[in-house]
Amino acid sequence: EAQVTQNPRYLITVTGKKLTVTCSQNMNHEYMSWYRQDPGLGLRQIYYSMNVEVTDKGDVPEGYKVSRKEKRNFPLILESPSPNQTSLYFCASIRRGGPEAREQYFGPGTRLTVT
Amino acid sequence: QKEVEQDPGPLSVPEGAIVSLNCTYSNSAFQYFMWYRQYSRKGPELLMYTYSSGNKEDGRFTAQVDKSSKYISLFIRDSQPSDSATYLCAMSGKGAGSYQLTFGKGTKLSVIP
Repeated sequence: EAQVTQNPRYLITVTGKKLTVTCSQNMNHEYMSWYRQDPGLGLRQIYYSMNVEVTDKGDVPEGYKVSRKEKRNFPLILESPSPNQTSLYFCASIRRGGPEAREQYFGPGTRLTVT
Repeated sequence: QKEVEQDPGPLSVPEGAIVSLNCTYSNSAFQYFMWYRQYSRKGPELLMYTYSSGNKEDGRFTAQVDKSSKYISLFIRDSQPSDSATYLCAMSGKGAGSYQLTFGKGTKLSVIP
């Protein structure tokens, strides 16, 4: 089954304690992305990756890091989490199916609470 | 002015009604237009996408894009309680920009049996 998986699904942590949210896709997609979703603000892109070893900032990259060492994995790293990073996080990958196809598949989400 | 505007609702309709959901945008570079459905506690799932202007139909769903007015719509015919969800519009540009989506904030829809 084609899917994007994220772990953990729920996480409660304390300010300053480094954490990593993993993301993996089994569709051989080149493009992957991380979003956060907040009430009243919608989905905002944090970082994206066009391919292995190619990453770039989205709209809200401050406080986050990413890496793309393998095509299937795109972990999100919070070096020193703060309460304003409490949010619902989604990983996504895009199928590149030709000039008219940009089908994006989302993971199930990770709900992060930073106290 | 935000790039993508979407009325957050909530929108409540009786079962069987025709639902109209809309977004406006300001960036004339947008070429790809998408609608996502998001159930509570789930990730968004792609419903429909359209490249450039025009209409696209898939079952009970019709997506329309009017680039001259910078306005996109999603119509749901014969709405069902299972259509109750938040609907997100999303858009992107050409080339490498086609991979960077800008989302509306979503419209919460409830279909009442």
